[in-house]
Amino acid sequence: SQQGEEDPQALSIQEGENATMNCSYKTSINNLQWYRQNSGRGLVHLILIRSNEREKHSGRLRVTLDTSKKSSSLLITASRAADTASYFCASIQGAQKLVFGQGTRLTINP
Amino acid sequence: DGGITQSPKYLFRKEGQNVTLSCEQNLNHDAMYWYRQDPGQGLRLIYYSQIVNDFQKGDIAEGYSVSREKKESFPLTVTSAQKNPTAFYLCASSMAGFNEQYFGPGTRLTVT
Repeated sequence: SQQGEEDPQALSIQEGENATMNCSYKTSINNLQWYRQNSGRGLVHLILIRSNEREKHSGRLRVTLDTSKKSSSLLITASRAADTASYFCASIQGAQKLVFGQGTRLTINP
Repeated sequence: DGGITQSPKYLFRKEGQNVTLSCEQNLNHDAMYWYRQDPGQGLRLIYYSQIVNDFQKGDIAEGYSVSREKKESFPLTVTSAQKNPTAFYLCASSMAGFNEQYFGPGTRLTVT
């Protein structure tokens, strides 16, 4: 079962605009993580937010977490062509597994 | 130069043959993972290992086998019992306790 579900599945914006991706999950979490995957490559960890945190920043990235709604969002500000990638949220299911959603494919148009 | 490596990058096999995918890490991580990714899809967990000489099945373990004889290595064998083995396979490692996972570059397996 998919613990994380990203929305939208695909997003296309102009360079310089902000991009927002959402993630919903089903069970209680200790933390939620966001990863980026460039086409045909491995995933790269972007940011981890713990269940007792509501917002976290890293450079142009801002992640929010609403545990009451079981949802998280990733905001990329001032997008660049290099941000074109797929973005995945992931959260721990049960005691041992990190479960990934199906991802949002982000395209930044020049 | 620390990291996690997978080889080969592309692998072609005939149906009915077993094939082993390599995964090595020099990050001194205790935990290692194998995922499968199909086109346009997320990652599905095949097997994971939290410690040497121990591993657990993930969500789609049927048709796969692993070993963890050394901390640095976690090879995955795709057996002939796997009905649809063509996919992109990703290996990852992490410190114990579900910190961030570090991923290798992946192996694209094509079985014809």
